Amino acid sequence: NAGVMQNPRHLVRRRGQEARLRCSPMKGHSHVYWYRQLPEEGLKFMVYLQKENIIDESGMPKERFSAEFPKEGPSILRIQQVVRGDSAAYFCASSPPGGETQYFGPGTRLLVL
Amino acid sequence: GESVGLHLPTLSVQEGDNSIINCAYSNSASDYFIWYKQESGKGPQFIIDIRSNMDKRQGQRVTVLLNKTVKHLSLQIAATQPGDSAVYFCAELGGSARQLTFGSGTQLTVLP
Repeated sequence: NAGVMQNPRHLVRRRGQEARLRCSPMKGHSHVYWYRQLPEEGLKFMVYLQKENIIDESGMPKERFSAEFPKEGPSILRIQQVVRGDSAAYFCASSPPGGETQYFGPGTRLLVL
Repeated sequence: GESVGLHLPTLSVQEGDNSIINCAYSNSASDYFIWYKQESGKGPQFIIDIRSNMDKRQGQRVTVLLNKTVKHLSLQIAATQPGDSAVYFCAELGGSARQLTFGSGTQLTVLP
């Protein structure tokens, strides 16, 4: 059973460009979570989604950031007009329906030049 | 605000010794706790979890202790091995929220 998959693993963008990060949850998992990790820090919650629904986006910046989890395909975290402060590791986690344990993917490391 | 924090940022132990990593939490509504291990360049890996109706849970070489009176969580690793070197995070889940709140992490270094 494949774990949570994320791609790309590394992404380099120039200021003002768009970044798209993808996450495929574990098989059978319908809940997806996105977290951001700055160097030397713990993970910070951004958004929690179920298929076609955003359940909790209390950790998402109000501007430039958006997330979706369509009926078909991976979850997408989209960052528009990236700035250097967006440089971080972005992790996706998934859990099964009714389950609490979140299993993490390998992350996408975003570098904004 | 509510937070989860760790007592020590770094811990060095001799190979074969036992390791104890501590964590304090402040949200009394939290009812589920997880320890994760994160190796350099990788995502957090689930180690062990515990619910608030328990005070101890054992896994393979790892034990988690929960003291709700002082809001303290610890992870004990028996016979620490070089492969245990990593950053360890405690995380909590409470109430109706589904988001994990992470501590800042403890870097465990196993010395030969």
